[in-house]
This record gives sequence, structure tokens and C-alpha cells, in this order.
Amino acid sequence: SYVLTQPPSVSVAPGQTARITCGGNNIGSKSVHWYQQKPGQAPVLVVYDDSDRPSGIPERFSGSNSGNTATLTISRVEAGDEADYYCQVWDSSSDLYVFGTGTKVTVL
Amino acid sequence: QLQVQESGPGLVKPSETLSLTCTVSGGSISSSTDYWGWIRQPPGKGLEWIGSIYYSGSTYYNPSLKSRVTISVDTSKNQFSLKLSSVTAADTAVYYCARTLDYGEPPFHYWGQGTLVTVSS
Repeated sequence: SYVLTQPPSVSVAPGQTARITCGGNNIGSKSVHWYQQKPGQAPVLVVYDDSDRPSGIPERFSGSNSGNTATLTISRVEAGDEADYYCQVWDSSSDLYVFGTGTKVTVL
Repeated sequence: QLQVQESGPGLVKPSETLSLTCTVSGGSISSSTDYWGWIRQPPGKGLEWIGSIYYSGSTYYNPSLKSRVTISVDTSKNQFSLKLSSVTAADTAVYYCARTLDYGEPPFHYWGQGTLVTVSS
């Protein structure tokens, strides 16, 4: 089945840029979505269709997708961005929604 | 503003059936554009899609759980439900219901708060 691989953790200082990768075979051919999950809360969609933002999500959140890697970029990181982040695709070949392994973002 | 909310027992015994309901408010479960899904997250672990349903009753299941899962819809109550049979400790998780616009590529835009189900005797 289709596998999405993320780094377990990313650390970043406030005001800097965090980049979270999501690796998958030819992921560039799929629509990638990103969710933010804070402790004890449900996931929140922050980027969809590779690079679009839902209403209410700051412009600091952006996404890209090409080849075998999709990337979520958080610019001007704030303490409130500390959370787990998951990528997600739909694998048409197996008719399955697939989530990435998750990345914990720590703001130093 | 559309909202979805899970409800059901928080404790289920091993080998029994887990049953949860998701109530939709602020919108109709019978919307022609919406699909409704269940996703779970074991404590400290990642997210796993369980299955989805359309208001007509069409269902889509994760192959790894398909033999044990039944998802149904009750349009008169604006609810959809999850049944997972023969549960074990490995089924202990927070269970979320969520909505997508269409089945497949669109993301899960709206999520419930989640409900923790513990499988234990």
C-alpha cells in the first residue's frame, strides 16, 4: 500500500522558517493535504490541494509538491504553531485515504 | 457553520462491538456534495482512515478493517454510525468523524472533537 514518510520531529526558533517534508512514490501526481493537531484537539486542515489555504489559516502556512516530496512551510514561526503535522493523500490505486507518519514541530 | 459530533460508549469489552454515532448540525447529511468519514488515532500514534459513506448509503472501507467495519447513515436523524466488531486492545483510540466534499481527492475539512474508546475488560 501507499506509504507517506515524514520526519518525526522538526525544531525551529521563533521567527524562523519550518519546513516539514512528506515523502511518497510520485507524490507530485497526487493532491496533498496538511493537518495541524495540537495536544488533545482534533486535526485542523491548514493546507489542501498542495498549496491552497482554507479561510482563516494564516498566509505563513504554505505548501508545495513535486516529484517524490511534498513540503509544508511555516514562515515566521510562532509559539502557537507548536503541534503535530500530518500530510494526507488519497491513493486511487488502493482506494484508500493515507496519512503520513506525523511530524512534531517544536518551537525553541 | 457545519459541525459534527461523535457520541457513544467510552469503554468496550474485548471481542464485543464498538458502536459510535456522528451527529451533523448546521447542514444536511443529505447534501449531494458531501461524504462522511470515520478516522481513528491510537494514543500517541498517527491517524488511520476507517471508512466513508454517502447519504445514499454507498460505503467505502479501509481494506485492513473491512471485515469488521460497518458504516451506516440515518438521514432522518442527520446522523451516521460506525460499528467495529470483535474489538481488541489494538482498537483503543480516539475516533473522529469528519466531512469531505466528494470522495477521494478532497480533504477532510470538518472534524469532530473526537471520542476516546478504550477496549478493556
